[in-house]
Formats: sequence, C-alpha cells, structure tokens
Amino acid sequence: KNEVEQSPQNLTAQEGEFITINCSYSVGISALHWLQQHPGGGIVSLFMLSSGKKKHGRLIATINIQEKHSSLHITASHPRDSAVYICAVRNSGYALNFGKGTSLLVTP
Amino acid sequence: NAGVTQTPKFQVLKTGQSMTLQCAQDMNHEYMSWYRQDPGMGLRLIHYSVGAGITDQGEVPNGYNVSRSTTEDFPLRLLSAAPSQTSVYFCASRPPRTSGRGETQYFGPGTRLLVL
Repeated sequence: KNEVEQSPQNLTAQEGEFITINCSYSVGISALHWLQQHPGGGIVSLFMLSSGKKKHGRLIATINIQEKHSSLHITASHPRDSAVYICAVRNSGYALNFGKGTSLLVTP
Repeated sequence: NAGVTQTPKFQVLKTGQSMTLQCAQDMNHEYMSWYRQDPGMGLRLIHYSVGAGITDQGEVPNGYNVSRSTTEDFPLRLLSAAPSQTSVYFCASRPPRTSGRGETQYFGPGTRLLVL
C-alpha cells in the first residue's frame, strides 16, 4: 500500500497569507489528487496531477515525481478557504490511497 | 445533473440490524466506489465497481456487500451492523481513465451512520 503523509496536520493563517500544504508518498504513482472537504462534510476534487504544475484561480498544485512529493499552494488566502485538504494517490490500478488531511483555518 | 446522490443522510442502527445505503449518479460514469471516513484516518475504500455487473473488494470490505445492476446505482449493504461500522460513508464516481474524460472523482454528500 502506498503510504501518504501530509504536513502540516493543522494550519492557521491570516487572511491574505500564502499557504503551502505538502504531500509525500512512498511508492511511484500514476496520478495524484488534491481534494477539498468543506466544514459541512462535502468533498470536491481540486486537481489531478501526473506531472508538473496546475493552476486554478488562487490554487496551484505541483508534483515532483522523482522526490515523490506534491504541494498545494493557496495565494491570497481567504476565510472561505477554510477546509480540510486531502491528498490521494493512485498507483497503477483503480484504488486511491488517501492522506489523513490538513485542516486549514484562515482568520479575517 | 444531480451528480452523485446518497440516501439517507443520517441513520442510527442497533447492533445486528441490516440496512442499505443508496448511491446513484446521473453522469454515466462507469467507475463507482464506496469509502468510509473515520476520525484520524484517511478515506478507506470498501468496495468498487468498474461497470454494471462488475464489483471488487477494496481495503476494508468485511461486513459489507455491494451489487451493480445498472450504471446509475451502487448500493452498499450492511449485513449485520456492528459498532465498528459507525462512520461517515461516501460514494464516489468517475469516468474510466481511457475515456478521455479525465479521472476527476465526484463525491456524494455522505451518510453518517451510528451503530449502537
């Protein structure tokens, strides 16, 4: 099983700060996903990466395949970004292995 | 599109009772999955299906059954509920990787289950 580690576990930031959440995994992968879980519990997919970098609005995701590491960056953070951010990896098959999540609180 | 829907939103069971968690999607996705989410742990795969009539076990299948008679529906059955099955259950769907429609996972809103 691919072990997925996220850091930090909890993060508090002030509105406007640049935020980085990290994800490391133990075995080579076919794809890496970043997900957002809202305080109400719903889960939405933010990015799927197999290489390089992707950007959507204020969110940027990068992956370094050689180092088995991915980062999720949030620029100009806002209180509505408060959520749990989850990293998940897929090896060659169907199943995803999930990290435990990073709980982000952005204060005004 | 309604996306992925789950019912019920919340359920309380007594030990030994059985029940079915419903999941449906209207996006014509071949792949569907059931996950459970427990405090301090990542989402764990219970069962999945790659198409109608095809199901397979995930990481934590014991105590659960699934079937996939149509593309749209993927119910999860608890055969004899136990307190260890108290959890939040998420259903998800996505197109196959080879479809060219990406592999974005779409999640249902979740079902909170309490087994007493």
